[in-house]
Order: sequence, then C-alpha cells, then structure tokens
Amino acid sequence: DTAVSQTPKYLVTQMGNDKSIKCEQNLGHDTMYWYKQDSKKFLKIMFSYNNKELIINETVPNRFSPKSPDKAHLNLHINSLELGDSAVYFCASSPGTSYEQYFGPGTRLTVT
Amino acid sequence: GQSLEQPSEVTAVEGAIVQINCTYQTSGFYGLSWYQQHDGGAPTFLSYNALDGLEETGRFSSFLSRSDSYGYLLLQELQMKDSASYFCAVRAHTGGFKTIFGAGTRLFVKA
Repeated sequence: DTAVSQTPKYLVTQMGNDKSIKCEQNLGHDTMYWYKQDSKKFLKIMFSYNNKELIINETVPNRFSPKSPDKAHLNLHINSLELGDSAVYFCASSPGTSYEQYFGPGTRLTVT
Repeated sequence: GQSLEQPSEVTAVEGAIVQINCTYQTSGFYGLSWYQQHDGGAPTFLSYNALDGLEETGRFSSFLSRSDSYGYLLLQELQMKDSASYFCAVRAHTGGFKTIFGAGTRLFVKA
C-alpha cells in the first residue's frame, strides 16, 4: 500500500553516464514534484507537473529531463552525469496545489 | 527572491519543550508548512499555517505571524524519537504555486 514509490533506491554510476529514476504514486494526486537534497540536506524543488503538464521548471541544467506519461507517474532522466549531481532525489505528490506534499523514500544517486 | 532562515541545530532534553523559529522573505506568500525528516528517511508533513495564530496537532503546534514574516514550530513533551531535522517551507504563488524549503533545523533530544 505504498503511497509514493521510487526506483531505484540507490544508484551508483560514473560521470558521463545517462540514468533514469522512476516515481509512481497511488494516491490519486494530480500534481507531482522532483526535489534534490544535497549533502547539507538543503531540499530544492526541481520540477512540478500537474496532470502531466509541466508547471514549475526551476533553474535546472537541461541535462535533467522529467517525463510524465500519466498523472500517476513522473520519471527523471539525467544525461551526462556530473559529480555535482550526487544527491538524494525525492519525488513527491499532492492533491492539486495543496500545501501537503507526500514524499517518496528518495533515490540516493552517487556519481563517481 | 525568496529566503528562509532557521537555526541549524537545537538540543533539548527528553520531556522538555522546544521551539524552532523560522523567518522568511518571499513574494506571493500563501502559507508556512513544517516537515519532519529522520536520517535516511523522507520528509513528512507536520503542519500548515495560512493565517496568523497557533495551530495545534497533538504534541506539535505551529505559529505564524504574517506581519512579522515569522513562524515557529513548538514541540512539547519531547521524546527521543523526535530527534530529526525539521524544515519550514513557504508556499508561494509566483506564476504557479511553489514550496520553498528552509535549510532545516537538526533537533537532538537527549535523555
């Protein structure tokens, strides 16, 4: 009965590789988000989708490309990975633009 | 721009009361949320204030003063399991609703 799930939980890869992180929510929410949490635990919004439509796109390198095939899924593809991309990436969802967001367990990405 | 400030660390004793303050500067302010995150875990929603005043949810209360751009989270009857990071987050509307998180306050609860 997982609410927001992400795969994989851990991802170790080398610089220059391309990787994807998947997110699914079974809460019936229509808004989904990607956040990046760095080593200092600073949590920063990257993207937000509402009903498969991009509504927030923060200043994120265009190596990061989100894709929402339907409103229950929001995937994150990262091209040409760099050392600075190492972080924990959290997916979240909310009903509409509600203030209450439900976070997935996170994906710890390590780029070597 | 938008910014939030909260203390980086707070230490308190089990059974005590602790207050974590948050000041913010933002345009399009709608409300202030609080999230808890245990080490290795995901942020979980605690409370939200859109209007001035105190909101109480069990041992946790949250306060907002919009005129002072200030809020706080009050944790009562502290328990060891409350040791975690606590984030204040501003909900703002700047071309779309957005949640901006503070840097977090690490709470250590000692026996």
